[in-house]
Amino acid sequence: QKEVEQNSGPLSVPEGAIASLNCTYSDRGSQSFFWYRQYSGKSPELIMSIYSNGDKEDGRFTAQLNKASQYVSLLIRDSQPSDSATYLCASPRGYNKLIFGAGTRLAVHP
Amino acid sequence: SAVISQKPSRDICQRGTSLTIQCQVDSQVTMMFWYRQQPGQSLTLIATANQGSEATYESGFVIDKFPISRPNLTFSTLTVSNMSPEDSSIYLCSVEGSSSYEQYFGPGTRLTVT
Repeated sequence: QKEVEQNSGPLSVPEGAIASLNCTYSDRGSQSFFWYRQYSGKSPELIMSIYSNGDKEDGRFTAQLNKASQYVSLLIRDSQPSDSATYLCASPRGYNKLIFGAGTRLAVHP
Repeated sequence: SAVISQKPSRDICQRGTSLTIQCQVDSQVTMMFWYRQQPGQSLTLIATANQGSEATYESGFVIDKFPISRPNLTFSTLTVSNMSPEDSSIYLCSVEGSSSYEQYFGPGTRLTVT
């Protein structure tokens, strides 16, 4: 089992809809999670971090963490074509290291 | 977050040669990281570079192939040695953020080995 798993997609949603991106992890001791957005040809950009169970909202983005189910998700409300990118989930491993999932490609169509 | 630059942004190299990639950050950071992202793949950590100590390499990566320098708190280099086409990839440096485990990435170096 991979340490951080994501559905590679592509996830296709219409403009204005809610995009739901999911990530599962194997290390029950993980305390924090990070969502990065990566546009084609660009480097990853940190968009959300979550450290405790429940929801964390930032603008159109909501991160949800369920430690009992070892599940973390990212919801994008009112999806825009500019949200089309690959979204990477990351979890700590060892001292200050991050391990990344394979990423989910999101396509928002007008 | 810190402003991170990398040089070169891209290069095409012949097999058997070496390329040194530079990473510069505009503020002092303790930890810097080097990643590889092969085409269509996610990020793989190559090594962690702390100032004043030897880099710590991940499984599958060795110092002879990927020597790293960290001369001060704002700069690091990664050398890809004796390159083969399999080394064609994007190489990214990242730095630690203000919160635990946060990392911010440089723009990357796209390397093609022919």
